[in-house]
Amino acid sequence: QKEVEQNSGPLSVPEGAIASLNCTYSDRGSQSFFWYRQYSGKSPELIMFIYSNGDKEDGRFTAQLNKASQYVSLLIRDSQPSDSATYLCAVRGNEKLTFGTGTRLTIIP
Amino acid sequence: GAGVSQSPSNKVTEKGKDVELRCDPISGHTALYWYRQSLGQGLEFLIYFQGNSAPDKSGLPSDRFSAERTGGSVSTLTIQRTQQEDSAVYLCASSPSRGYQPQHFGDGTRLSIL
Repeated sequence: QKEVEQNSGPLSVPEGAIASLNCTYSDRGSQSFFWYRQYSGKSPELIMFIYSNGDKEDGRFTAQLNKASQYVSLLIRDSQPSDSATYLCAVRGNEKLTFGTGTRLTIIP
Repeated sequence: GAGVSQSPSNKVTEKGKDVELRCDPISGHTALYWYRQSLGQGLEFLIYFQGNSAPDKSGLPSDRFSAERTGGSVSTLTIQRTQQEDSAVYLCASSPSRGYQPQHFGDGTRLSIL
């Protein structure tokens, strides 16, 4: 079992709709959780981070964490073509981040 | 600039040569991390520095890989006797301190071994 699992996609979502990205992790001791966006040929860019169970909202983005289910998700409301990218889920136990392989998201105009 | 700076941005070298990759973290960030991303793969942790010490080197793939950090700032990742499987994008990240702080990435060095 991989430590951090994501659906690789591609996930296609119409412009203006909600995109839902999911991630599960295996280490129950994980403390903090991050979503990075990575455009092709570019480095990862931090989108959201969450430490506590529940929802955290920032603009069009909402991160959701359920530690009991070892599940973290990212919702993108009012999806825009510029949201088309690979989204990486990262989990931090000690100091290092463990990344999933990413979900490729395509927003269809 | 205010972000993490990496150099060179691209490096092409012949198999068997040594390479040095440089990372200049965000000013004031005490924690520094090296990751590797191979084509179509996720990010793979290599090594973590807190100040000039490396408490976690568990991700270094072989003894051909080494890294150091001086002055609590700039870090150099060295790959000796490069192999074709070393071809990847090498990413450096920094964060303000240990704990929950997010890591911010540089633009990476794309390394190609011929």
